[in-house]
Amino acid sequence: QVQLQESGPGLVKPSQTLSLTCTVSGGSISSGGYYWSWIRQHPGKGLEWIGYMYYSGSTHYSPSLKSRVTISVDTSKNQFSLKLSSVTAADTAVYYCARGDYSSGSYDYWGQGTLVTVSS
Amino acid sequence: DIQMTQSPSSLSASVGDRITITCRASHSISRFLNWYQQKPGKAPKLLIYATSTLQSGVPSRFSGSGSGTDFTLTISSLQPGDFATYYCQQSYSTPWTFGQGTKVEIK
Repeated sequence: QVQLQESGPGLVKPSQTLSLTCTVSGGSISSGGYYWSWIRQHPGKGLEWIGYMYYSGSTHYSPSLKSRVTISVDTSKNQFSLKLSSVTAADTAVYYCARGDYSSGSYDYWGQGTLVTVSS
Repeated sequence: DIQMTQSPSSLSASVGDRITITCRASHSISRFLNWYQQKPGKAPKLLIYATSTLQSGVPSRFSGSGSGTDFTLTISSLQPGDFATYYCQQSYSTPWTFGQGTKVEIK
């Protein structure tokens, strides 16, 4: 059974970089066939797609966040990461990591989500 | 970006009711449309992918249809565990986008 688990600081100061890691168990990130993704949800709001990385290294990011986002994969640890720079209070949200299916683009496995608050 | 618009934003229904949620895309997305259920404090759960294919383990009272720009999610007989928020998501072109959600509440 595939499981994803987010980890990282729950509080980040404005202008700093938000860094989260997603640890994948029950399957290999390097096996191919999946988009390793980050999605966020502002408090009480809907889902916002941040971007994904394919195991080959190709990435796609939301245009609204592209200048500040980096998604990377560490196959040796079976993890992938999110870095979001120059954060503001508007980046306060629950951040989810998720596995996207290559053929359908649907997200079949999700982490439980982690709340990141941007505040001084 | 492809905009996804769901309707209604919320609805009240009773156990046993048949309900339909609509999702409209701003451009044709073929059949690259997925549906999720989210309960408070939980991650979304995939219900249907590629417009009409039921994810493993999802009850058959859930069904999806559509193509191009107009899609529907139908629950044939609402059960107590179905009261939640539902989201559609297009995976036709990046940035992949979600609808704003439809909250299904108990009448």
